[in-house]
Amino acid sequence: AQKITQTQPGMFVQEKEAVTLDCTYDTSDQSYGLFWYKQPSSGEMIFLIYQGSYDEQNATEGRYSLNFQKARKSANLVISASQLGDSAMYFCAMREGKDNFNKFYFGSGTKLNVKP
Amino acid sequence: EAGVTQFPSHSVIEKGQTVTLRCDPISGHDNLYWYRRVMGKEIKFLLHFVKESKQDESGMPNNRFLAERTGGTYSTLKVQPAELEDSGVYFCASSRREYGHNEQFFGPGTRLTVL
Repeated sequence: AQKITQTQPGMFVQEKEAVTLDCTYDTSDQSYGLFWYKQPSSGEMIFLIYQGSYDEQNATEGRYSLNFQKARKSANLVISASQLGDSAMYFCAMREGKDNFNKFYFGSGTKLNVKP
Repeated sequence: EAGVTQFPSHSVIEKGQTVTLRCDPISGHDNLYWYRRVMGKEIKFLLHFVKESKQDESGMPNNRFLAERTGGTYSTLKVQPAELEDSGVYFCASSRREYGHNEQFFGPGTRLTVL
């Protein structure tokens, strides 16, 4: 079974609007971490935001926030006030277990296009 | 601080040939990971080094793939002989051994095309 599911292969959003990218995960571990990465057309993967399974508050980093719903096993990324530079591929990832060097499981990504 | 670098950025080879990909992690990062993304699919884990030792190689597809990490610094991933299904983007990532959320820092990837 897929550990990380991203159901939106592509999304469009108008500049300055907010957009939500979906991510659901599957794990039986109590301790895990959830990550979002951005991959612009240049290819590098840029870390955006992290949410730990025991964190009670949703993570926020500037215009990025993570809508963490533990019971539903979802970790959606919310980008507020979209900018043209937000056009990129976005990957959701999970690290299982309490060891912070374990491998990541990734979803298949969502390609976001921001329209002017 | 220099980021994770990978060489080459692109490689096009014929089926049956050998290709070696190189990754230079961020200086001081003990953890080094290889991942692969086949077109349109998810990024999949291949293996994980801690310094020069293989910690987890559960994602290596078969024995045509050989990874090494000389002296705990750079790493190479050799594919011999290459098959068509090996085409994809190979990412390298590194991270420290420390507390905290400890994100992995990714390189730009090597796009491998096997014809």
